[in-house]
Amino acid sequence: GENVEQHPSTLSVQEGDSAVIKCTYSDSASNYFPWYKQELGKRPQLIIDIRSNVGEKKDQRIAVTLNKTAKHFSLHITETQPEDSAVYFCAGYGGATNKLIFGTGTLLAVQP
Amino acid sequence: DARVTQTPRHKVTEMGQEVTMRCQPILGHNTVFWYRQTMMQGLELLAYFRNRAPLDDSGMPKDRFSAEMPDATLATLKIQPSEPRDSAVYFCASGWDSNQPQHFGDGTRLSIL
Repeated sequence: GENVEQHPSTLSVQEGDSAVIKCTYSDSASNYFPWYKQELGKRPQLIIDIRSNVGEKKDQRIAVTLNKTAKHFSLHITETQPEDSAVYFCAGYGGATNKLIFGTGTLLAVQP
Repeated sequence: DARVTQTPRHKVTEMGQEVTMRCQPILGHNTVFWYRQTMMQGLELLAYFRNRAPLDDSGMPKDRFSAEMPDATLATLKIQPSEPRDSAVYFCASGWDSNQPQHFGDGTRLSIL
């Protein structure tokens, strides 16, 4: 079945710097990769997603890239702000299992 | 702004008691998911329904957990009997399919003493 690995587990950056979080997946048939942001004590919220027929997608300061050959995808946050501090989860949809499998999360701390 | 509604938000009870968690999916969504979140295991899928039919409950301990969807506006997750290891945050999410955006509720924070 699908396995999603996420790195790093924690990331600290200075305000204004960029942050990059990387995920790898095992199921070559996976075709949907969302990213969720979860603030402390809150629900996970979808911030961006990408499908396997696209290599990159941007939404303001957030972008996601997908490399199907290498089976990895990344979240890029530019010009980070303190309100970007949260746990970020990647996920991959395993076609064989018909389930969304989540990574273990990255705690991002943006230092003012 | 349509949202998934979960009740209760918090539940503290003693081991051995029955616990029922409820979820109202976003109107029109045909797929409902139950997740459990713990520090050790992260986000785990327990079960999900499409058009009210259970499609997968392989993530759920069958002897004590049960999930149902009595109608399109209500999904329930029951634990009987509850154990301390069931302490976690339980999230319900709804969407159009597993490979479509899922919208999470605010969760039920469950503590079993």
